[in-house]
Amino acid sequence: DTGVSQDPRHKITKRGQNVTFRCDPISEHNRLYWYRQTLGQGPEFLTYFQNEAQLEKSRLLSDRFSAERPKGSFSTLEIQRTEQGDSAMYLCASSQETGQEEKLFFGSGTQLSVL
Amino acid sequence: GESVGLHLPTLSVQEGDNSIINCAYSNSASDYFIWYKQESGKGPQFIIDIRSNMDKRQGQRVTVLLNKTVKHLSLQIAATQPGDSAVYFCAEKENSGGYQKVTFGTGTKLQVIP
Repeated sequence: DTGVSQDPRHKITKRGQNVTFRCDPISEHNRLYWYRQTLGQGPEFLTYFQNEAQLEKSRLLSDRFSAERPKGSFSTLEIQRTEQGDSAMYLCASSQETGQEEKLFFGSGTQLSVL
Repeated sequence: GESVGLHLPTLSVQEGDNSIINCAYSNSASDYFIWYKQESGKGPQFIIDIRSNMDKRQGQRVTVLLNKTVKHLSLQIAATQPGDSAVYFCAEKENSGGYQKVTFGTGTKLQVIP
C-alpha cells in the first residue's frame, strides 16, 4: 500500500454517462498527477496539480475531461459523455516536490469500462 | 484481474536466475530515469532511479545501467524470485526548466518460472 487511495476501484458505465473518480494522495504531498493506462501500454500523463493549482494538462485531456483539487488535498477526475475509447485504467500519483529526482507514488487505479 | 501486460514483450526466467530487462529511450534531453514495477491490479511501484551523470546504480538485488551514447537503460534483477513477476516500465524525465513530467516507456512482462 503506497498510501495513495483511489475510489472506486472499478466503474462500469454506459456510453454517454458521466463518471467521477476520486484520489486521496499521501497527506504531506503537494503534487498530484492523473495518468491513464490502456492495455499493454505504459501510463500516459493527463494532468498535474501543485497544491490546488492545475499547472499542466496533456493534449490527451479533451474538453470532456475535467480535474479539480479544491483544497490542495484530494482530487477528482470527471469524464462527461463517456465514450468507449475512454475505457482504461485511471491512475493517480502524488509526490513531494524534491526537484529533479521526483518519486511518484501511485494508487491502484480506477478501471473504467464504457459499454 | 489482469489489466496490463497481455500484449507486452515477455521475459521468462527460471527462479534463482538473474533477469535483465532492457529499455530504449528517445529523448536526449532526459537526465533522470526511473524503473517501476507494476503487479496485476496495482499501480506502478518505484524500484530504482538513476541520474544521467551516472552509468550504474545498485539497490537491493537490483542494478540499473545507463548508456547515454545509445540511449539505453537496463534493469538487472539478481536471484529472481516468484514475487518479481510483474510488468516493468522504464520512465524518463527531462530537465528543461520549469515543470517536467515523467514519461513512461512500453513495459516488459517478467514471468518467473518456479
